Amino acid sequence: AQTVTQSQPEMSVQEAETVTLSCTYDTSESDYYLFWYKQPPSRQMILVIRQEAYKQQNATENRFSVNFQKAAKSFSLKISDSQLGDAAMYFCAYRTPNTDKLIFGTGTRLQVFP
Amino acid sequence: NAGVTQTPKFRVLKTGQSMTLLCAQDMNHEYMYWYRQDPGMGLRLIHYSVGEGTTAKGEVPDGYNVSRLKKQNFLLGLESAAPSQTSVYFCASSYDLAGIAKNIQYFGAGTRLSVL
Repeated sequence: AQTVTQSQPEMSVQEAETVTLSCTYDTSESDYYLFWYKQPPSRQMILVIRQEAYKQQNATENRFSVNFQKAAKSFSLKISDSQLGDAAMYFCAYRTPNTDKLIFGTGTRLQVFP
Repeated sequence: NAGVTQTPKFRVLKTGQSMTLLCAQDMNHEYMYWYRQDPGMGLRLIHYSVGEGTTAKGEVPDGYNVSRLKKQNFLLGLESAAPSQTSVYFCASSYDLAGIAKNIQYFGAGTRLSVL
């Protein structure tokens, strides 16, 4: 069975600095998708970034980028120029291509200090 | 521009009571999902539906039932609520398997349920 592990329950960063959130996963499949979702205090789950496993190029969305290491089954999220509004829970998620179910990690709470 | 709407937003039940959570989406999505979120455990899939009239079990289906009579609605029922079902419930929807851009799940704002 596929599993997703986020080993950092909490992280903190200074405003304008860079922070990296870790995620590892376990799967025997070769084709799959990975996602990072953000959950602010409002509870709304917001998609931050996604990565297709068949693509070697790391996904980037403005200040958010990933470091996807397929062989190591690692999918970390880098947030550059951190802003106060980035403070939230961040969830890593895995999705297989043959189903549409998401498997979530336990989340990392990110605090941003001014 | 509603997206995925969940009602109610909050609910308190007594053990043994029943209730139904409603999820509605206006994006013409084929797939819909119910998750529960508990502290330290992330989101876990309860049930899901791949189309009108179909439902399937997820990771933690016991104690819940679902129905998808209309494409835009996905109902989650608790027949006899238990304190272990105290949680935050999220509904999500997505399009289908055809194409990466359509594989994104969009979430509602959640329902906080307490069972006393």
